[in-house]
Amino acid sequence: GQSLEQPSEVTAVEGAIVQINCTYQTSGFYGLSWYQQHDGGAPTFLSYNGLDGLEETGRFSSFLSRSDSYGYLLLQELQMKDSASYFCAFMDSNYQLIWGAGTKLIIKP
Amino acid sequence: DAGVIQSPRHEVTEMGQEVTLRCKPISGHNSLFWYRQTMMRGLELLIYFNNNVPIDDSGMPEDRFSAKMPNASFSTLKIQPSEPRDSAVYFCASSFQDRTETQYFGPGTRLLVL
Repeated sequence: GQSLEQPSEVTAVEGAIVQINCTYQTSGFYGLSWYQQHDGGAPTFLSYNGLDGLEETGRFSSFLSRSDSYGYLLLQELQMKDSASYFCAFMDSNYQLIWGAGTKLIIKP
Repeated sequence: DAGVIQSPRHEVTEMGQEVTLRCKPISGHNSLFWYRQTMMRGLELLIYFNNNVPIDDSGMPEDRFSAKMPNASFSTLKIQPSEPRDSAVYFCASSFQDRTETQYFGPGTRLLVL
């Protein structure tokens, strides 16, 4: 079967760094995407890893290790506006996104 | 360019009524996705289209749900008859067919079935 695991909630302090982990299980895999969703809003695309390694986009970075079936999203210099839910999703052999349950990031001042 | 457009943004209806949700994808995108999001079940893919053709509708809950895409700029999701358990936020998203890892979501339709 196919599955994704990510923590349900993570708490961090403004200005700090936080890492949100994601592990997956699937027989067909093309890459790992990350999306952000603020309360009451729609998911918005953050990053995609089609290959192993680190992808950096401003304060956000995403990492993938296919051999470990593992990825993470790294958020640096946390701001209060980063408080949101973060979803990892992998693209399966049918080019469909299979979504995790989301991680709620709580940022404290 | 306008993003994905959905209507209505909010819908309150009574059990047994027909509900029609509408979506206009981003111009040039040839893949369209309908999702449902609830606290209990998270984000679920209901159906997706490539070039207006339904590819996978295995996520459609039951025969009460149907979706159409008559042309590249319009899609509908219909629930008939609606039930209270259908209450959720319904999102439409679009992407290029070869870039489905990057989906652009509409603002969603918040449906409440009483």
